[in-house]
Amino acid sequence: NAGVTQTPKFRILKIGQSMTLQCAQDMNHNYMYWYRQDPGMGLKLIYYSVGAGITDKGEVPNGYNVSRSTTEDFPLRLELAAPSQTSVYFCASRQGDRGYTFGSGTRLTVV
Amino acid sequence: EDKVVQSPLSLVVHEGDTVTLNCSYEVTNFRSLLWYKQEKKAPTFLFMLTSSGIEKKSGRLSSILDKKELFSILNITATQTGDSAVYLCAVSNTGNQFYFGTGTSLTVIP
Repeated sequence: NAGVTQTPKFRILKIGQSMTLQCAQDMNHNYMYWYRQDPGMGLKLIYYSVGAGITDKGEVPNGYNVSRSTTEDFPLRLELAAPSQTSVYFCASRQGDRGYTFGSGTRLTVV
Repeated sequence: EDKVVQSPLSLVVHEGDTVTLNCSYEVTNFRSLLWYKQEKKAPTFLFMLTSSGIEKKSGRLSSILDKKELFSILNITATQTGDSAVYLCAVSNTGNQFYFGTGTSLTVIP
């Protein structure tokens, strides 16, 4: 089914470890976003991209990096995991004025 | 297949009108339904609903959940231009997976 695919669904990291959260969409959407959601809070934008080769910081980019080498993929990298990065991460895509399509989320715990 | 469907996709109203946004869902092992307002980049949280029939209210916004019929509505009374946004509905299950609708785009014109 067309949509946004996030992997993994769950992950536990030790402090200082690195990992990449994968996000892929097959709808040829230009806009892609990474959000994090902490308990009782709204979604906070980490990074976004308006097209292949273009990325920009969102509200909470520290501790993260992204790349957008293709239209389909928008991976999010955590270089030195910290407990403050324990959260649920959502990837989303959008095309023009059409609605958002979200992935089902990645639950990350840093211990 | 788990899914969340929002309607209408878009809506244009005049200031002062009352609007009702709909969210229906088919999600196994339902845990909660959340409403967000997205104006620029990041959605802002509005309500979280877990129980049927209990209205949540915040100013001119209110929302209610019907777990038997599997839907929720978001009401906005006396709309203002500042209410113009995309309103997102999301449903979570007991496995902490989230399913989002594609949103309703609301435009309030003076």
